Amino acid sequence: TQLLEQSPQFLSIQEGENLTVYCNSSSVFSSLQWYRQEPGEGPVLLVTVVTGGEVKKLKRLTFQFGDARKDSSLHITAAQPGDTGLYLCAGRYSGTYKYIFGTGTRLKVLA
Amino acid sequence: DVKVTQSSRYLVKRTGEKVFLECVQDMDHENMFWYRQDPGLGLRLIYFSYDVKMKEKGDIPEGYSVSREKKERFSLILESASTNQTSMYLCASMSGSNQPQHFGDGTRLSIL
Repeated sequence: TQLLEQSPQFLSIQEGENLTVYCNSSSVFSSLQWYRQEPGEGPVLLVTVVTGGEVKKLKRLTFQFGDARKDSSLHITAAQPGDTGLYLCAGRYSGTYKYIFGTGTRLKVLA
Repeated sequence: DVKVTQSSRYLVKRTGEKVFLECVQDMDHENMFWYRQDPGLGLRLIYFSYDVKMKEKGDIPEGYSVSREKKERFSLILESASTNQTSMYLCASMSGSNQPQHFGDGTRLSIL
């Protein structure tokens, strides 16, 4: 059972545009991580958010954890071709090391 | 630098074979994970291990088993491979909660 839904599933935009990716669940998570995966490689961690309402910035990427810790968003400002990849969110339940991964958002930024 | 190594990038096996996927990490991490990745489904957890000889089922353990005899090595075993186990398999290790999961580059397994 997939408990983390990401939207959109695919996104193709022009360089310089802004975009937002959503990660939604009906479950409460202790923490949530965002990863980016490029072809032929494993996912690489971008950020971990822990507190409800928390906002973290990584250059042009802004991550927010929902107040109720059930959802998260990733906003990219002025997207670059180097942002192209598969973005995955992953939530962790309290008291476990297990992570539930989202369905993924495949982003393509055109030059 | 952190390194998770999966023994094969590509593997082709036949239905009914017993298949071993090996994963080695050099970071002395307690926690190791096996996932499978299929288009549109993200990563799904098969098994994880939080210590040597300790294991816990993930969301899709059916048809799989694991072995962790040494801290650095976590093996995934397909007892009798079937075509629906054709997939990308990813191994990861992690030091503790809220820490990064470090992934290998994956093994693309085809079962014919």
